[in-house]
Amino acid sequence: SQQGEEDPQALSIQEGENATMNCSYKTSINNLQWYRQNSGRGLVHLILIRSNEREKHSGRLRVTLDTSKKSSSLLITASRAADTASYFCATGPPNGANSKLTFGKGITLSVRP
Amino acid sequence: EPEVTQTPSHQVTQMGQEVILRCVPISNHLYFYWYRQILGQKVEFLVSFYNNEISEKSEIFDDQFSVERPDGSNFTLKIRSTKLEDSAMYFCASSEAGAETQYFGPGTRLLVL
Repeated sequence: SQQGEEDPQALSIQEGENATMNCSYKTSINNLQWYRQNSGRGLVHLILIRSNEREKHSGRLRVTLDTSKKSSSLLITASRAADTASYFCATGPPNGANSKLTFGKGITLSVRP
Repeated sequence: EPEVTQTPSHQVTQMGQEVILRCVPISNHLYFYWYRQILGQKVEFLVSFYNNEISEKSEIFDDQFSVERPDGSNFTLKIRSTKLEDSAMYFCASSEAGAETQYFGPGTRLLVL
């Protein structure tokens, strides 16, 4: 199994609904980050949570981290059509900063207007 | 807001040809990275670079690949003799010293025929 596996692979919701995406990982981490990728475009950093944190908020985003279960979830509240994109979790290794990120395969989120 | 830029946005090349992908990292960042994403697959780490040296590389980053910081602003990835399987989106990223967050460029889509 791979580091950084997201589920579901695809999610379709109505505008205004909340979207919850999950990520599991296998090895010890220093941090977990979520990125967004619009179709054919670059990766945009959304939020980072460190291994000693349990929950963080940023605007309509809420991320949780459970290191005992090696899992994280990203919640987007009050979704908008513009949130349609692929979402990736990426883990940073225990040695901390400036290290390679290991990405999952991503979740395709479609928000219907 | 400063951002990572990459050129070209698209490149088509013949198998066996050399390609150079260019990146301009964010100006006060000291760590630079290349990742690639084969169509429909996850983003994979290739190499990280600091203080004019490779600091980490993956098994993908074999002798066909090289990186260089030819001047104070550019960071390049060279593929000496391209193969069909090198077709992918290549992302450059940069980060500040001591930071976990990496900022990604928009990518170069490379197609090897």
